Formats: sequence, C-alpha cells, structure tokens
Amino acid sequence: QVQLVQSGAEVKKPGASVKVSCKTSAYSFTSYGISWVRQAPGQGLEWMGWITPYNGNTDYAQKFQGRVTMTTDTSTNTGYMELRSLRFDDTAVYYCARRGTGVAAANDYWGQGTLVTVSS
Amino acid sequence: EIVLTQSPGTLALSPGERATLSCRASQSVSSSYLAWYQQKPGQAPRLLIYGASTRATGIPDRFSGSGSGTDFTLTISKLEPEDFAVYSCQQYGTSPWTFGQGTKVEIK
Repeated sequence: QVQLVQSGAEVKKPGASVKVSCKTSAYSFTSYGISWVRQAPGQGLEWMGWITPYNGNTDYAQKFQGRVTMTTDTSTNTGYMELRSLRFDDTAVYYCARRGTGVAAANDYWGQGTLVTVSS
Repeated sequence: EIVLTQSPGTLALSPGERATLSCRASQSVSSSYLAWYQQKPGQAPRLLIYGASTRATGIPDRFSGSGSGTDFTLTISKLEPEDFAVYSCQQYGTSPWTFGQGTKVEIK
C-alpha cells in the first residue's frame, strides 16, 4: 500500500534550519508530486508548496519564498523540505502528501507529520 | 490568493443526524478543483472528496460533495460516531493552494 513516512520530531533554535524527509513507497515516485503542508498548534492547514520529482520543478507559497527549498531523491523515492531562518511561529507539524494530476491533484496520501519546535 | 471561508465554525449534532458544511471562495475555483479533508486529533488529514463531488478511494457514500464556482458543500447524510472531527476544504486549481479554516463537527 502507498506509504509516506516522515522523519522524527525536531527542536531547533531561532535562526537555525530544519530539513524534514518523506520516504515514499508502493507507487511510481516520478508520476506524482509531493506537497508540503504545515499546521501550527490549534490552527488550520497551510500549504507551503510542492515539487515534481519527475523534473524537480517547484512551486512555493510566496510566504515561504527565499526560506524554503523542496527537493527529491529519485534513487530512494524520498522528498525533502528544508526551512531556514526559523522563527518561533514556525513551530508546527509539517506534513508531506502525494499530489496527483488534473482534477485528481488533491493530496490523497499523507505522511504521519513531523513536529518542528522552535525554542530558545 | 483565493480565500476559503468555512461555515459554521462548529457544528454540534447527534449521531444519525445530517451534517451540512459550507465552503465559500473569494473567487471562482478553477474547474471545480475543490477538495474536502477530515482530520482527527493527532492524525494527518484524510482526503474525502476531490473535484468538488468525487469521493476518494474507500470513502463511504454517506459523504457527498457538491457545488461549483464559489460555493461548495460537504454533506454527511447520517453521522456515525467516527465522523466527529474537523473538516477542511482546499482549492487546488490556482497557486497558491489554500485551505479553509475548518469546521469542527462535535457531538451534541
């Protein structure tokens, strides 16, 4: 069955960087995109952007432009999201999710989430 | 960006009752690229509906989606105990993708 398994929880200081991984299995990695979505404590879902493993094309939310980099490794079917210059309000659960194409582009499979805590 | 406004914020109902959730967009959603997700505490979101009205794989037929343009609805025909959760709509037709703030369906 399709699975996305994310790396474990992280605690970072303000100004640091974090890199979250998302290892996928049981589907053709280059046939689907990977979206990244975060959720601050008690808040709603926030779309950060997505990447196409096929050619590495990315689309980032303007809010994160210049601070986020999404990459993939097609040899291990893994996606990565790096967020730099962390601030206290970056504390959130970060999710990766598979993205299809066309009308089926909604995120049909999700990772379990990675809690990133920014604390001094 | 397209702002999605969900109403009501909280819906208090009893098992067996019908739930009607609304999602209104600030501008027309391209090609009905509107999805609904269910989320329970401590869990990742689960895709229920995509393309405004197509149920995702394995989703029971008590869940249905409708609407187009700027007004969309998620209906749960008869609430089961496991349906009490937060429901969020998402538009994925125009970048940046955006989510509504969520509607919590709680037990009355």
